[in-house]
Amino acid sequence: GDSVTQMEGPVTLSEEAFLTINCTYTATGYPSLFWYVQYPGEGLQLLLKATKADDKGSNKGFEATYRKETTSFHLEKGSVQVSDSAVYFCALSDLRGNKLVFGAGTILRVKS
Amino acid sequence: GAVVSQHPSWVICKSGTSVKIECRSLDFQATTMFWYRQFPKQSLMLMATSNEGSKATYEQGVEKDKFLINHASLTLSTLTVTSAHPEDSSFYICSARSAGNTIYFGEGSWLTVV
Repeated sequence: GDSVTQMEGPVTLSEEAFLTINCTYTATGYPSLFWYVQYPGEGLQLLLKATKADDKGSNKGFEATYRKETTSFHLEKGSVQVSDSAVYFCALSDLRGNKLVFGAGTILRVKS
Repeated sequence: GAVVSQHPSWVICKSGTSVKIECRSLDFQATTMFWYRQFPKQSLMLMATSNEGSKATYEQGVEKDKFLINHASLTLSTLTVTSAHPEDSSFYICSARSAGNTIYFGEGSWLTVV
């Protein structure tokens, strides 16, 4: 079945450091790919998405590019802030868009 | 933007009792809602897909008689954990799909069974 693999955390960075969180997937066909963010005590918020190969999703300084050849969707940000501390989930949706399959999540801690 | 609200945010119940969690789409109609369960430091696991006016579709391994899902209207789905036990303690999150096929998540509900 479909699956998503994320790098294990926690990832601890200093403010203004560069962030990469790796995400690879296994799926039939070409699913849509997502990054969700979960702040402490809250539900999930969509951070960005890409629906086809070579698409780049971006939001709030975060970017991720849908790489079909490497089945990857790595999350990047050039300069992280303390407020970016959260859990980040990579996810894919099946071709019908009926449900999301999530990775295990990566905790990001940013220190000032 | 679209909002999905869950209630209650926190609930503690005694072992053997039942507890109901509500998921409402506040400003859009959702023909499909999803219920997830999240264990501490783990990912979200889809429990079931709830379609308005029909029976929910449960994922493999999820006990449908224990986790009752009702989607009685286009803006409300409920999850009832029946005869709850401590191992049912978890964070439950719902999501709703809008007509534009965007999925919005609720804030989640913490269930503790004592």
